[in-house]
Amino acid sequence: NAGVTQTPKFQVLKTGQSMTLQCAQDMNHEYMSWYRQDPGMGLRLIHYSVGAGITDQGEVPNGYNVSRSTTEDFPLRLLSAAPSQTSVYFCASRGDGGRTDTQYFGPGTRLTVL
Amino acid sequence: AQSVTQPDIHITVSEGASLELRCNYSYGATPYLFWYVQSPGQGLQLLLKYFSGDTLVQGIKGFEAEFKRSQSSFNLRKPSVHWSDAAEYFCAVGPSGTYKYIFGTGTRLKVLA
Repeated sequence: NAGVTQTPKFQVLKTGQSMTLQCAQDMNHEYMSWYRQDPGMGLRLIHYSVGAGITDQGEVPNGYNVSRSTTEDFPLRLLSAAPSQTSVYFCASRGDGGRTDTQYFGPGTRLTVL
Repeated sequence: AQSVTQPDIHITVSEGASLELRCNYSYGATPYLFWYVQSPGQGLQLLLKYFSGDTLVQGIKGFEAEFKRSQSSFNLRKPSVHWSDAAEYFCAVGPSGTYKYIFGTGTRLKVLA
């Protein structure tokens, strides 16, 4: 299994540009999520999904959109990038074994917005 | 409100010395607690987790953690640190509801040769 994969690894955008961060998992996990990591802030939940077609907001959802058309993929869209969205983004997935199941993280995407 | 506090932003230890990283939490229900490690440029890897039962939990890479309900703490320990342990360590609690985990701000560990 490849686990959780993310593309791209690095990205530089100009303010106002749009882009999609890709996330895929091959573990047939129902639960997937997006976090952003900022210095001194830890990881903060942006959006999450509990299955195909079902998404919900996390702690910091503004400026981000998500959709979940398949179990495997959970892309994160920035419609109009802002410098405040400069961060490292992590995708994670968890099986449906309940709250005790392990959450697996991807390697991250480092995004810079100029 | 639910929260996780890691009071130490940076810790430096000598190789071979013992290590304790502190984690305090505030959580309304019985907490599910986690420690993750993040090496530079990498994602987060689960070290150990606590759900119930024995309050001393063993994890990978020789780490252990002890859950102390009376102190709302879940401190991570290792008896002898290796240079390869240099990384950032995150404590987390949850999930609240179906999937909302709360992470601490992290402790960056430096290991001196």
